[in-house]
Amino acid sequence: NAGVTQTPKFRVLKTGQSMTLLCAQDMNHEYMYWYRQDPGMGLRLIHYSVGEGTTAKGEVPDGYNVSRLKKQNFLLGLESAAPSQTSVYFCASRPAGSGATKRSYNEQFFGPGTRLTVL
Amino acid sequence: GDSVTQMEGPVTLSEEAFLTINCTYTATGYPSLFWYVQYPGEGLQLLLKATKADDKGSNKGFEATYRKETTSFHLEKGSVQVSDSAVYFCALRASGSRLTFGEGTQLTVNP
Repeated sequence: NAGVTQTPKFRVLKTGQSMTLLCAQDMNHEYMYWYRQDPGMGLRLIHYSVGEGTTAKGEVPDGYNVSRLKKQNFLLGLESAAPSQTSVYFCASRPAGSGATKRSYNEQFFGPGTRLTVL
Repeated sequence: GDSVTQMEGPVTLSEEAFLTINCTYTATGYPSLFWYVQYPGEGLQLLLKATKADDKGSNKGFEATYRKETTSFHLEKGSVQVSDSAVYFCALRASGSRLTFGEGTQLTVNP
């Protein structure tokens, strides 16, 4: 298993350009997440998905869009990049709990990150 | 809303020193608490967790105890190694599947 993979690893954009970050997981996980990591601020949730075809806003969704057309993939789009979106982006996935295990925590598995710079 | 506060870093220690990284939280209900570790150039990995008050999570010599009375989940290790150099994140999950992270603490261990 490759786990959670992210493409690309690095990218430099000019203000106003668009791009899509791809997250893929081969663990058949239901839930997927996009976070951004900024110095002194930890990780903040951008968008997440609880299953194929569904997405929801997180803590900092503005300027981003997402799609989950296939269970294994979760795409993060920037339609018009801004310097404030310079960050390291992490994708994560986890299985859904069910029945007696719902109260149990299912670990989130993280990808290696994408470092994005917007000039 | 939910929040996690970690001690400010960076923290620099000599090998075999004792480590404490403080973490306190604010949340409604009964959250689950976690410590994640991020090694240089990698994503986050779950280090340990505790799901109810007085639980102690432990892994790789690290420990943390869920203290509801002080709303804390401090990370400790009795003897750190150079290989423990990383960024450590405290996090909570109050409901649903979403995690709330602290700001992270950079640990550097010198030989």
